[in-house]
Amino acid sequence: DQQVKQNSPSLSVQEGRISILNCDYTNSMFDYFLWYKKYPAEGPTFLISISSIKDKNEDGRFTVFLNKSAKHLSLHIVPSQPGDSAVYFCAASDTFLMLTFGGGTRLMVKP
Amino acid sequence: DAGITQSPRHKVTETGTPVTLRCHQTENHRYMYWYRQDPGHGLRLIHYSYGVKDTDKGEVSDGYSVSRSKTEDFLLTLESATSSQTSVYFCALRGAGGTGELFFGEGSRLTVL
Repeated sequence: DQQVKQNSPSLSVQEGRISILNCDYTNSMFDYFLWYKKYPAEGPTFLISISSIKDKNEDGRFTVFLNKSAKHLSLHIVPSQPGDSAVYFCAASDTFLMLTFGGGTRLMVKP
Repeated sequence: DAGITQSPRHKVTETGTPVTLRCHQTENHRYMYWYRQDPGHGLRLIHYSYGVKDTDKGEVSDGYSVSRSKTEDFLLTLESATSSQTSVYFCALRGAGGTGELFFGEGSRLTVL
């Protein structure tokens, strides 16, 4: 049973518009959440994170929102750019020892 | 760049043969991980290490073994490869900060025929 789920395998967005990627989790012990970005033939790279004591964290065009009661987090990218086209993984941790990843969402930003 | 090198980057092998993937780091990180990436499953943890000769199983450890005889090298071995082990394998290090952030290598694509 997947503890971290990304229910949308793909998302297509027009350049300049907002991209919203969603992630749900089931383990209430998770207290740290991360988003990774992956280009083809490369390893995932860290994008942004949020602690469970916060409900929002911003870094430039990227904002992560956390709704603990709903066990839901989302990544907003504004404005979306063609270079943002990649696979995005959300991940969660309860011990800082291991990360549990979702299945990924492929984002396509069209010019 | 966290100084992670995976080898080989690509390998094709036959069912039943042994395969070893190597992860090498240059920055003396304590924690190292092996993940596999498969469509629809994201990244799943195979094994991890928290020090020399200290390893533990992850979510999908069956059919895999690991060894860490020195800090810089973490080896993943498939004793007898099966077609279900066709995947992309990523090594990762845990960063020095206490946030759980992982730094990944570029991956090793393994095809088992």
